[in-house]
Amino acid sequence: QSVLTQPPSVSGAPGQRVTISCSGSSSNIGAGHDVHWLQQLPGTAPKRLIYNNNNRPSGVPDRFSGSKSGTSASLAITGLQAEDEADYYCQSYDSSLSAYVFGSGTKVTVL
Amino acid sequence: QVQLQESGPGLVKPSGTLSLTCAVSGGSISSSDWWNWVRQSPGKGLEWIGQIYHTGSTNYNPSLSSRVTISVDKSKNQFSLRLSSVTAADTAVYYCARQQSATTSLDYWGQGTLVTVSS
Repeated sequence: QSVLTQPPSVSGAPGQRVTISCSGSSSNIGAGHDVHWLQQLPGTAPKRLIYNNNNRPSGVPDRFSGSKSGTSASLAITGLQAEDEADYYCQSYDSSLSAYVFGSGTKVTVL
Repeated sequence: QVQLQESGPGLVKPSGTLSLTCAVSGGSISSSDWWNWVRQSPGKGLEWIGQIYHTGSTNYNPSLSSRVTISVDKSKNQFSLRLSSVTAADTAVYYCARQQSATTSLDYWGQGTLVTVSS
């Protein structure tokens, strides 16, 4: 059971906007720890998509954006494309567990 | 461009010890970054195992700490994972990853290696 909770799946048509939530608690996101997002394409290693809540590494399209508020965070994908079909994970640090924690993962399907 | 490559046996017997090495290229393991191990059970999510700094300082996931040892070999620019008393529940793809200095973000990942625990 993951410390950070994500919806198992979200879907959208090409060009639409989808959002993925990441719900935490007062010992991780709510404690002020940064949230990062990872994209995992089928059969590949995770790839950093967003770091420090809302920063995009070089090469990541600006269709991807992150936000954080209170004990939750969100990843938004605008202008959804077929190549965005993947699993997405949020990641943070938990002070109570003294461990880095991941979300349960969300599968994005492009209809 | 930092690259990480995991290596080690793909099959380990129950109650044995899993040993993996992560070779770092394109950067120095003696930089101000932390070096991590993460695993992913088949069809499941990601689990952080632990991390090491080039000085040898380590942090482990409390749920695994009694069985985990992470070490560093600066001369070979690599770090290693040992997980003892393995069971079928330890079957997973094991990834090594770099934690960018001054953040908690894992920015570079190895391709991962599947380790199966079976007799």
